[in-house]
Amino acid sequence: EIVLTQSPGTLSLSPGERATLSCRASQSVSTNYLAWYQQKPGQAPRVLIYGASSRATGIPDRFSGSGSGTDFTFTISRLEPEDFAVYYCQQYGSSPLTFGGGTKVEIK
Amino acid sequence: EVLLLESGGGLVQPGGSLRLSCTASGFIFNTFAMNWVRQAPGKGLEWVSAISGSGANTYYADSVKGRFTISRDNSKDTLSLQMSRLRADDTAVYYCAKQSYWNGGYFGSWGQGTLVTVSS
Repeated sequence: EIVLTQSPGTLSLSPGERATLSCRASQSVSTNYLAWYQQKPGQAPRVLIYGASSRATGIPDRFSGSGSGTDFTFTISRLEPEDFAVYYCQQYGSSPLTFGGGTKVEIK
Repeated sequence: EVLLLESGGGLVQPGGSLRLSCTASGFIFNTFAMNWVRQAPGKGLEWVSAISGSGANTYYADSVKGRFTISRDNSKDTLSLQMSRLRADDTAVYYCAKQSYWNGGYFGSWGQGTLVTVSS
C-alpha cells in the first residue's frame, strides 16, 4: 500500500498569499497518477488536479500541481476567500487507492 | 451534468447490516468504474471499494474485506454497497464516486454522501 504523507497539517495564510502544499509517497506513484481534491465543511470533495499537473474542467489557473515519483506539490498562486478549505492528495495508480491525511488551509 | 445520489444511510447496531445505494445520471453508467469512499466524523477520506464498469472486477479495502459487498445494476444506473457485521469504526459519511474511466482513474464526480452511524 502506498502511504501518502501531506504537509503541513495546517497552513495559516491571508487572502492574496501563495499556498504551497506537499504530498510525499512511500513509493513511486505509477504514471504520476496523483490527484488533488478540495473539501469544504459539509460538502463532498471535488477534484482540482489529476495526473499530478492537469487541471480538472472549470478549475481556475491559480491552482496548479507538479511533481513526479514520490514528491508532489500543489500550489494556489493567490488565495481567494473561497479557497480556504481542506486539501487531499490521492494516488490512483495502484490498489488500494489511498489518500493523504489532508492539509487545512485556514485564514490567518 | 453528472449527478450521484446516495441513499440508505442511518443508525444501525453493532453487528447489524445496511445497504447503501447510489443512483447515477448524466453519463453512460456502464462505461465508468464506481467507488465508495468514506469519511469518519472529523477525519480524512478513506477509499472503501471499487467496481469496474462491467461489474466483473471488484476491489476492497482490507478494513471492509469479507464484510462489505459492492455491486452495480447497469440496467438501472445504480451502485450498491451491502454492509454487514458493522462495527463502531464503520461510522462515517459514505460517498459514491465516479472514476474517470472504465476500470480506474481519479474521482471526477462525487455524491453528497449518506451518513452511517453504528451504535447501540
